[in-house]
Amino acid sequence: NAGVTQTPKFRVLKTGQSMTLLCAQDMNHEYMYWYRQDPGMGLRLIHYSVGEGTTAKGEVPDGYNVSRLKKQNFLLGLESAAPSQTSVYFCASSIWGGSYEQYFGPGTRLTVT
Amino acid sequence: DAKTTQPPSMDCAEGRAANLPCNHSTISGNEYVYWYRQIHSQGPQYIIHGLKNNETNEMASLIITEDRKSSTLILPHATLRDTAVYYCIARGATDSWGKLQFGAGTQVVVTP
Repeated sequence: NAGVTQTPKFRVLKTGQSMTLLCAQDMNHEYMYWYRQDPGMGLRLIHYSVGEGTTAKGEVPDGYNVSRLKKQNFLLGLESAAPSQTSVYFCASSIWGGSYEQYFGPGTRLTVT
Repeated sequence: DAKTTQPPSMDCAEGRAANLPCNHSTISGNEYVYWYRQIHSQGPQYIIHGLKNNETNEMASLIITEDRKSSTLILPHATLRDTAVYYCIARGATDSWGKLQFGAGTQVVVTP
């Protein structure tokens, strides 16, 4: 039982390049989330999904797109990377929303030059 | 979600209990108190949560005051691996999409 995994662990992009971050969970959770964490700050929610085939915007969605084609996977895409998107990205999942706890992946450290 | 207030940092000796306070004076009746921690460069880790009653699990105990305006997370026997930033979060059970509002947290350093 791997829990929540994220690929890649590290990535360096040039401004304007695109990439996709993959999150996978093997706990059969319905809800999945993408957060970003900037140095010295707390996590901010980018997008989330309440089930397969659904996505919704969080606090800071601009510049990102997501897809949840399979229940176990949640993809975060950057179509045209900007230096402001340099951050550590965390994926999380939970059985349901509300009062259920979230389980986090190890993070992807992204640098945009 | 109610705002929470935590001290920015605290030290604890290895083997001793670590008591982490959190104020949430504006918490509403349906909001739970959650604790997560983040060890350096890792993803946040769920510790415990509660509504009114005190809670205990294999990692920690959570003591919530009767008026629910504050709580204390207790790590009974702190180890060096407990060095982390600890986040106290108040979140409603009716918050159906489950956003966690992370604040600055408390940096806990466990020393030998």
